[in-house]
Amino acid sequence: NAGVTQTPKFQVLKTGQSMTLQCAQDMNHEYMSWYRQDPGMGLRLIHYSVGAGITDQGEVPNGYNVSRSTTEDFPLRLLSAAPSQTSVYFCASSYSRSGRADTQYFGPGTRLTVL
Amino acid sequence: QQQVKQSPQSLIVQKGGISIINCAYENTAFDYFPWYQQFPGKGPALLIAIRPDVSEKKEGRFTISFNKSAKQFSLHIMDSQPGDSATYFCAARFSGGYNKLIFGAGTRLAVHP
Repeated sequence: NAGVTQTPKFQVLKTGQSMTLQCAQDMNHEYMSWYRQDPGMGLRLIHYSVGAGITDQGEVPNGYNVSRSTTEDFPLRLLSAAPSQTSVYFCASSYSRSGRADTQYFGPGTRLTVL
Repeated sequence: QQQVKQSPQSLIVQKGGISIINCAYENTAFDYFPWYQQFPGKGPALLIAIRPDVSEKKEGRFTISFNKSAKQFSLHIMDSQPGDSATYFCAARFSGGYNKLIFGAGTRLAVHP
């Protein structure tokens, strides 16, 4: 099992550019989520999905889009990058329903810089 | 408004000492409280977790103490080691079935030899 994989590892964008951060998991998890990590702010939930075709907003969704066409993949799209989106982005996955298996598994992260 | 408040922001402990990190929450609709450990350049990984129907959980040198009435929980690391130097996040999960977590701001722990 590769677990949760994220690509790219590093990315530099110019303001206004668009890009997609990729996330994939091979554990057949229903629940997938995206967080951003900023100094002193912890991990803030951007979007999450409880299964293919179902997504919802987290704490800080503005400026980001997601879709979930398969169980394995959950890409995060930045339509028009802004310097405020400079951050480290983490994808995580788990079983969806509490009580079955609570552990969320995180990917290695993508460090994004927007100039 | 941060729903899970974590303190301190940073902590320095001597090898063999006890590290204590505290978290507090307001929302009573949380049903699961995990702690995650993160090393530099890596993603967070689950360290230990507790449910609100117990007051303490211990796994090796790591203990969670949970005070439901005060809406507080804490992580204690006994006999702290330099290898424990990392950032620690507390979190809380909304009840209602889905595994949606809200994290604290994190504590950077440095254990000096």
